[in-house]
Amino acid sequence: EPEVTQTPSHQVTQMGQEVILRCVPISNHLYFYWYRQILGQKVEFLVSFYNNEISEKSEIFDDQFSVERPDGSNFTLKIRSTKLEDSAMYFCASSGQTAGNTIYFGEGSWLTVV
Amino acid sequence: GIQVEQSPPDLILQEGANSTLRCNFSDSVNNLQWFHQNPWGQLINLFYIPSGTKQNGRLSATTVATERYSLLYISSSQTTDSGVYFCAVPGGSQGNLIFGKGTKLSVKP
Repeated sequence: EPEVTQTPSHQVTQMGQEVILRCVPISNHLYFYWYRQILGQKVEFLVSFYNNEISEKSEIFDDQFSVERPDGSNFTLKIRSTKLEDSAMYFCASSGQTAGNTIYFGEGSWLTVV
Repeated sequence: GIQVEQSPPDLILQEGANSTLRCNFSDSVNNLQWFHQNPWGQLINLFYIPSGTKQNGRLSATTVATERYSLLYISSSQTTDSGVYFCAVPGGSQGNLIFGKGTKLSVKP
């Protein structure tokens, strides 16, 4: 079964540093997402991306966050200047040809900000 | 925005027991997904079930969209079923999902 892959699986970074989390969505999918889960809490939507632009974003997705699809396969989340409260699991996800299809999640990237 | 509530928040079972997890949502939806988050943090798709009933092995799910709830049934539970079960429904036009707080299931041998 096709899957969403994410790298790195775990990253430790100093506060104030920039972090880039990478994702390879399922190949024929058109909708891409990032979600975040702080330890012990529920999964929260960050941003959706369609047709090479942000289609929707949550209040969490402020100016320190950005997303990019630099080529035909990768989808990245950049955090410009990390804060302690950015420590979380970040999930990339993708879905198929129309919004409302099943959303498939990657295995997540643990980010620890120290 | 749409609210998603799951119950119970915690559930402890003896191996072999059956259980029912519930998900209530506050508005009409055209999609609902159930996920299992294993102890390593991975989110595993269980069901895409906007309405009706589906079965996959020992797991089955039923969504009654008109009454705004969904149920996940686990039969003959195993220790590997432990983890957190989330339901999620669309919260925006682009299909982004709103998650409930989950049900934490612990299956004891």
